[in-house]
Amino acid sequence: KQEVTQIPAALSVPEGENLVLNCSFTDSAIYNLQWFRQDPGKGLTSLLLIQSSQREQTSGRLNASLDKSSGRSTLYIAASQPGDSATYLCANSMKTSYDKVIFGPGTSLSVIP
Amino acid sequence: KAGVTQTPRYLIKTRGQQVTLSCSPISGHRSVSWYQQTPGQGLQFLFEYFSETQRNKGNFPGRFSGRQFSNSRSEMNVSTLELGDSALYLCASSDGSSVGNQPQHFGDGTRLSIL
Repeated sequence: KQEVTQIPAALSVPEGENLVLNCSFTDSAIYNLQWFRQDPGKGLTSLLLIQSSQREQTSGRLNASLDKSSGRSTLYIAASQPGDSATYLCANSMKTSYDKVIFGPGTSLSVIP
Repeated sequence: KAGVTQTPRYLIKTRGQQVTLSCSPISGHRSVSWYQQTPGQGLQFLFEYFSETQRNKGNFPGRFSGRQFSNSRSEMNVSTLELGDSALYLCASSDGSSVGNQPQHFGDGTRLSIL
């Protein structure tokens, strides 16, 4: 059974800092890994999706990496801004049921002006 | 292109009642998934429909059911509501036809409160 964990659970940084969010999973037989952002009371916004054959994806100030062999993914946020404050969740789809997405508990990020 | 639309946004029910939630996916998307989000359990997968057929199912009791219509719109039903069913219910859509390489797009959810 796939288990997804995220460290840290919460993070507070001053504006302008670069930061890394971590995601770990127990079963490497994944189709993809996806990073989402959730604002309070809202749904999820997809940030980056990495296919199992890929090592990283980039979008603007965001860079996500995937290391299947170690069961880890990281989300790097460069030059953080107050608008980046949100909860960040990682999730993956398993090869046994690719549309059954398993989520981590999330990291709550606060960027202080 | 309109996003995923969930209705209603907020709902208050009492124990024992039943409820139906609706989800309209992004135009052209044939896969619709439902999730329950609670502070204690986080985001948990309920079920996924593709072309009117349930393709995947999570570990929820039979009180939770769903269906998908020919236009890909989906409904989720919860019968005999319990206090623990209070949660944010999220719907996500994707193309669904290409294995594992399509991102999921989420709606803003329906906040269900059980009194």
